Amino acid sequence: DTGVSQDPRHKITKRGQNVTFRCDPISEHNRLYWYRQTLGQGPEFLTYFQNEAQLEKSRLLSDRFSAERPKGSFSTLEIQRTEQGDSAMYLCASSPDRGGLPSEDNEQFFGPGTRLTVL
Amino acid sequence: ILNVEQSPQSLHVQEGDSTNFTCSFPSSNFYALHWYRWETAKSPEALFVMTLNGDEKKKGRISATLNTKEGYSYLYIKGSQPEDSATYLCAFNSGTYKYIFGTGTRLKVLA
Repeated sequence: DTGVSQDPRHKITKRGQNVTFRCDPISEHNRLYWYRQTLGQGPEFLTYFQNEAQLEKSRLLSDRFSAERPKGSFSTLEIQRTEQGDSAMYLCASSPDRGGLPSEDNEQFFGPGTRLTVL
Repeated sequence: ILNVEQSPQSLHVQEGDSTNFTCSFPSSNFYALHWYRWETAKSPEALFVMTLNGDEKKKGRISATLNTKEGYSYLYIKGSQPEDSATYLCAFNSGTYKYIFGTGTRLKVLA
């Protein structure tokens, strides 16, 4: 396993179209996170999965956004009726669930991101 | 609203110079502070996880300190090299699944 992968790496779409991104986490990691990063900002938390369960969802995730992790492995993030303000880098991260205090053993590993441009 | 701030936003240093950045975070409900390095076109890479007040961690020429009582962490780079050029991000965690990231410090090391 070479790490967290995301597909596509770049996506250009027209306003109003739907887009879907995929994240494949490291295989033994049962925690999965989605973040969004806009220009000049740090990554903003969008949502979190523990296995297939979506345990937390940011208020940033409007009803046009939906994320799934159907079998507790890969995850998809769909944006419906895209708007220009959705243009951003969408990052996925995974981590193992070893409990206890945060440490290098349960650190998040990030994918390279999907850069979305909405025209 | 939890706010994590980093300074400076960007800086240029000469090869061989030492430099440091600051990450400020809420001093209440502290659980962990993470540092990441993010090179252009690559994935953010974890540098340090810091949990205890007074923690000092080191990895090669990079080190970090933590003060949870006053809510800040410093990242130091000794003898900067061009390959250190990247955005350095800190992320605050209060014990939930949510990580609050700062806006990052963009470092450019000039050869």
